[in-house]
Amino acid sequence: AQSVTQLGSHVSVSEGALVLLRCNYSSSVPPYLFWYVQYPNQGLQLLLKYTSAATLVKGINGFEAEFKKSETSFHLTKPSAHMSDAAEYFCAANFGNEKLTFGTGTRLTIIP
Amino acid sequence: EPEVTQTPSHQVTQMGQEVILRCVPISNHLYFYWYRQILGQKVEFLVSFYNNEISEKSEIFDDQFSVERPDGSNFTLKIRSTKLEDSAMYFCASSEPGPGLAGLGHIQYFGAGTRLSVL
Repeated sequence: AQSVTQLGSHVSVSEGALVLLRCNYSSSVPPYLFWYVQYPNQGLQLLLKYTSAATLVKGINGFEAEFKKSETSFHLTKPSAHMSDAAEYFCAANFGNEKLTFGTGTRLTIIP
Repeated sequence: EPEVTQTPSHQVTQMGQEVILRCVPISNHLYFYWYRQILGQKVEFLVSFYNNEISEKSEIFDDQFSVERPDGSNFTLKIRSTKLEDSAMYFCASSEPGPGLAGLGHIQYFGAGTRLSVL
């Protein structure tokens, strides 16, 4: 079955440290992939999107993600964490239709 | 910046009552969606709507649910007889027209959600 898996429901990093949030997909055909962020009491905001044009995708707020077909992964990274990055992050995919299939989400905590 | 707006932000209802959740999608968008997130669980797709009809629906979207675009701006989700298990955050989303298969790969813009509490 087509699915999205996010490893680590909670991730804590120190301010200024590297942020790495993991996402893997299960599909025979690479899907369109998205990362969304949800701040408290707000909706889901798009961080970035992979559409096969480039394997390294740059998004807003200094985030980027690299698509690796061999690993069926689309991990999200940011070189230096900021306190304002504390939020919940969702990886999502379009598997051949318009609906988004979401991962379970990763709550990112930034330690001062 | 254009945004998707949802009202109310929190709805409390008694089991068996009908509720209508309202959404105003971004004005030039043509594809509309409802998702829900039960506390502690994944965001789940409920239904997509295009050209005044449902284009896809999930197993969750049974006869108790319906969607409507009553005018040129609103998009509503109705639950006819609410159950305890309908308690969740409901998100509306919309996407703009673009190349390729309808809706596929298009960025979906989400509202802040309506928290539905069924007592």
